[in-house]
Amino acid sequence: AQKVTQAQTEISVVEKEDVTLDCVYETRDTTYYLFWYKQPPSGELVFLIRRNSFDEQNEISGRYSWNFQKSTSSFNFTITASQVVDSAVYFCALRGPYNNNDMRFGAGTRLTVKP
Amino acid sequence: DAGVTQSPTHLIKTRGQQVTLRCSPKSGHDTVSWYQQALGQGPQFIFQYYEEEERQRGNFPDRFSGHQYPNYSSELNVNALLLGDSALYLCASSSEGQGSYEQYFGPGTRLTVT
Repeated sequence: AQKVTQAQTEISVVEKEDVTLDCVYETRDTTYYLFWYKQPPSGELVFLIRRNSFDEQNEISGRYSWNFQKSTSSFNFTITASQVVDSAVYFCALRGPYNNNDMRFGAGTRLTVKP
Repeated sequence: DAGVTQSPTHLIKTRGQQVTLRCSPKSGHDTVSWYQQALGQGPQFIFQYYEEEERQRGNFPDRFSGHQYPNYSSELNVNALLLGDSALYLCASSSEGQGSYEQYFGPGTRLTVT
């Protein structure tokens, strides 16, 4: 069975602080895909990143960075120098190989960045 | 380039009624997936449509059904509404036919069942 755990329900930081959102996953598939989405108050899920199971390179995109570690089944997301506009609910998600379209989401982490 | 659109934005229905939600995928996308997001939870996969057929279904009863049209737009139908069906219904599109698994989501339809 596939499962995604986001243990942090809510995080509150002050602007310009760095913050890391944790994601731990479970799967029996050898090929799988991991995602992060942002859900602002408007409700629309915004795609941030996809990572394939066979590519363990970490990725950086501006203030965002992702740390994928298969050994610990984790795919953590770090925001550097957080801004008020980063306030949202962030979801980590997992799906299996190409013929398994059931994408499993974690429960989400609500990030509040205070000015 | 238009993104994923959904209609209506909000809907209020009475228990036992039926509802139809609509989704137009992002330009160039051929696959539509539907999700239910209850308050305070992550989205849950309902089903996915590709080439006008239901490709895969999540753990939802037969009261939930769908359709995909030749232009790739899709509908989600829910019969015999229950109070527990109150949620945000999200549509996501992707280009599975081209092997791209990144799903782009619409703004959702918030359904309230009273």
